[in-house]
Amino acid sequence: AQTIHQWPVAEIKAVGSPLSLGCTIKGKSSPNLYWYWQATGGTLQQLFYSITVGQVESVVQLNLSASRPKDDQFILSTEKLLLSHSGFYLCAWRGTMNERLFFGHGTKLSVL
Amino acid sequence: GDSVTQTEGLVTVTEGLPVMLNCTYQTAYSDVAFFWYVQYLNEAPKLLLRSSTDNKRTEHQGFHATLHKSSSSFHLQKSSVQLSDSALYYCALPRGNTGKLIFGLGTTLQVQP
Repeated sequence: AQTIHQWPVAEIKAVGSPLSLGCTIKGKSSPNLYWYWQATGGTLQQLFYSITVGQVESVVQLNLSASRPKDDQFILSTEKLLLSHSGFYLCAWRGTMNERLFFGHGTKLSVL
Repeated sequence: GDSVTQTEGLVTVTEGLPVMLNCTYQTAYSDVAFFWYVQYLNEAPKLLLRSSTDNKRTEHQGFHATLHKSSSSFHLQKSSVQLSDSALYYCALPRGNTGKLIFGLGTTLQVQP
C-alpha cells in the first residue's frame, strides 16, 4: 500500500527565516506530486507539480520554490519567509490523470 | 482554458434538510474524471466522490452526484444533512494530459441544528 508522509507536522517560524517542508511517497513509482497551500479560512491553491524527478512546474508565484531530488521525494522551500506564507501546506500524489489525489496530513505553518 | 466553478462560498442548511452544492466546469477534454473532496476543519482533504461516466449517479456517505456533460455540471447533493457534514467541499478536475489538477474555490457547508 502507498503511504505519504509530510514533515514537519507544524512549524512556527520568524519572518525572514528559511523554510523547508518535505514529503515522501512510498509504494508508488513515478507518482505525480503536488504542493498545495491553504491560507487560514481560504481555499486550496496549487503551488507546484512534478511528474518526474528533477522536473517541477510552478503554478502560483508565492516566493517559494520546490524540488524533486528523488522519485519519492518532494521538497518545498524558501530562503526568506513572509507573513503571507502562513497557512496549511499539503503534499499530494496521484498516479495518472484520472486518478484521485492522495493528500498528506499537511503542515501547519505560522510565520510571526 | 480549463476551469472549475463553485458559485457558493457558504451554504447554510438546517439539519435534516436537503442540500445541493454546485459545480460547473469547462474543459477541452472529453475523457476526464471529476472529483468531490471534503475537508474537515484542520484536516487534509479527502476524496468524497469520483465520476467519469456521463449521466451516471455516484454515491458515497449519503452524498451523490451525477456528471452531466451536456450541462458541464457535477453538483453534489444530499437528501438529509447532518451536523457532521459541516465542512469545506471542493470540486476538482484534471487539466488535460498534464500533471495539473484544478480545484474550485470550495464551498463551506454549515449545518445548523
